[in-house]
Amino acid sequence: GQQLNQSPQSMFIQEGEDVSMNCTSSSIFNTWLWYKQDPGEGPVLLIALYKAGELTSNGRLSAQFGITRKDSFLNISASIPSDVGIYFCAGQIPNDYKLSFGAGTTVTVRA
Amino acid sequence: EAGVAQSPRYKIIEKRQSVAFWCNPISGHATLYWYQQILGQGPKLLIQFQNNGVVDDSQLPKDRFSAERLKGVDSTLKIQPAKLEDSAVYLCASRTPMGTQYFGPGTRLTVL
Repeated sequence: GQQLNQSPQSMFIQEGEDVSMNCTSSSIFNTWLWYKQDPGEGPVLLIALYKAGELTSNGRLSAQFGITRKDSFLNISASIPSDVGIYFCAGQIPNDYKLSFGAGTTVTVRA
Repeated sequence: EAGVAQSPRYKIIEKRQSVAFWCNPISGHATLYWYQQILGQGPKLLIQFQNNGVVDDSQLPKDRFSAERLKGVDSTLKIQPAKLEDSAVYLCASRTPMGTQYFGPGTRLTVL
């Protein structure tokens, strides 16, 4: 699969803060997906992005598909304790539906 | 709509034993994937099915891993014999026609 660099690797944040994380690739993707994984569970899809430049929101979450098609960003506004978990980016290259995953960003919220 | 179902949720075995995992994808999803997720890493694709045919098994350690999807619906993944390094979460996913993958809860395998 393609190599994805996801950062930061982990973050401790205060409840109510905004959070940003990003993912970069050496390859062009035609789809970016953001997943959240809670302990003992499978990844749950948060946001799917299908077009360069696209900005999509899902409640307090928003994500953007970078113009170069090699990066994507996820933002969480006004974080709450249930935002704790591991966030993964995943990308699909053109004409291939296989997903390549980043290593994840672990978010811990301090109450 | 029911999600991707997997069983068992947890399995503990000793090395050199065999183990099997089951997956039932979302109804109507023709494409099914098995992933291996080692602690601290993102999921890594093992095998991809389109209906009952294998599309990509290039990352499957075929000397010990096998998978089938005989009727094009549910699927089983088998490891025989298991090694310590096979300890991981095994995730099943199925895909919409647009390409979005939905994951099951996973099976956490511990090999002692």
